[in-house]
Amino acid sequence: DAGVIQSPRHEVTEMGQEVTLRCKPISGHNSLFWYRQTMMRGLELLIYFNNNVPIDDSGMPEDRFSAKMPNASFSTLKIQPSEPRDSAVYFCASSPRTGGSSYNEQFFGPGTRLTVL
Amino acid sequence: AQSVSQHNHHVILSEAASLELGCNYSYGGTVNLFWYVQYPGQHLQLLLKYFSGDPLVKGIKGFEAEFIKSKFSFNLRKPSVQWSDTAEYFCAVGPGQLTFGSGTQLTVLP
Repeated sequence: DAGVIQSPRHEVTEMGQEVTLRCKPISGHNSLFWYRQTMMRGLELLIYFNNNVPIDDSGMPEDRFSAKMPNASFSTLKIQPSEPRDSAVYFCASSPRTGGSSYNEQFFGPGTRLTVL
Repeated sequence: AQSVSQHNHHVILSEAASLELGCNYSYGGTVNLFWYVQYPGQHLQLLLKYFSGDPLVKGIKGFEAEFIKSKFSFNLRKPSVQWSDTAEYFCAVGPGQLTFGSGTQLTVLP
């Protein structure tokens, strides 16, 4: 298996532009997580999906952020409009199962390093 | 709700020194515990995990961790660190969605 795939790996954009980050989870995994990592705030869970349904989006910082999972093999995280404080590394992770199950190891993708100028 | 604390923010050791990184969790039920490692510029990778059974868990690269239920702890240990162990280490607790600690930066001096 190729593991969790994220694209792009690096994104540089200007303030006000729309940014779309993409994630392909490991085949067969039914949970998907989006995290943001910065020096100041560490690793933050933004949102997670179970069976393509958003379960908890309480970590999404504001309405400029949105995430979708149209099918089991694809998810997007969109920032519109982007701001310099959104600069961070965004990780996607997938898990075989969650929702109370014991077997909830998460597998992380390589991340997207976003720079908003 | 579950929570996890990593009290060591930055640890500096010389090669061959022994390592112990602290992790304490808060959860009232049956826990699942994990240690992840993030090498510079890379993503998080699983070092080891505990679901049940033997509380002493052995992971990759010579790491181990001991689950002590009475102390709500899951400390990470390695008897002799190497320069290549320089990384950030995250403790995480489940079940359900994982809650990650704030991480411990380990620097191993050659």
